[in-house]
Amino acid sequence: DQQVKQNSPSLSVQEGRISILNCDYTNSMFDYFLWYKKYPAEGPTFLISISSIKDKNEDGRFTVFLNKSAKHLSLHIVPSQPGDSAVYFCAALTQGGSEKLVFGKGTKLTVNP
Amino acid sequence: EADIYQTPRYLVIGTGKKITLECSQTMGHDKMYWYQQDPGMELHLIHYSYGVNSTEKGDLSSESTVSRIRTEHFPLTLESARPSHTSQYLCASRGRGGAFFGQGTRLTVV
Repeated sequence: DQQVKQNSPSLSVQEGRISILNCDYTNSMFDYFLWYKKYPAEGPTFLISISSIKDKNEDGRFTVFLNKSAKHLSLHIVPSQPGDSAVYFCAALTQGGSEKLVFGKGTKLTVNP
Repeated sequence: EADIYQTPRYLVIGTGKKITLECSQTMGHDKMYWYQQDPGMELHLIHYSYGVNSTEKGDLSSESTVSRIRTEHFPLTLESARPSHTSQYLCASRGRGGAFFGQGTRLTVV
């Protein structure tokens, strides 16, 4: 049973445009969400997180939006750069609970020059 | 920048050998995790720890074992490696502001 879902296996955008990566979750107990970028044969790099008490968090070119009622979050990258090409993972956990970090299957982003 | 380290980065070993994958962090985090990932696939949680002397199995059954004798150290051991253990093993620790991963160990059992 997939508790964190990234339904788009891949996304292709032009350099300079916006990349929007989507993530849905089913467990209403999740209250902390994280986004990671991963290259093959390397560990995931933490990008940005958001607590359920917020609906938006911004860090440079990265913004995460959280819609709790829809159990949906998205990562916006503006402007997209070729170096952003990687697999992006969404993850979620319940703070103070099991604290198990649950991942989606990832979305492969390709930014074309 | 996260201070979490995994060694070795790459390991090729014969079937039946005992191996230990090392993971250390200097951030004083209580919560640590081990994930397994095959190429192009999702990350599966195989072990986690809330702190010293606390370890739990994750969602994916694994023949590996872990220990947490010190806060900063969370090694993973395979008593008898098999080709089915070939995978990437990723260690993470969680503190305020996020969860951070090491560089991973790419294990190949021949």
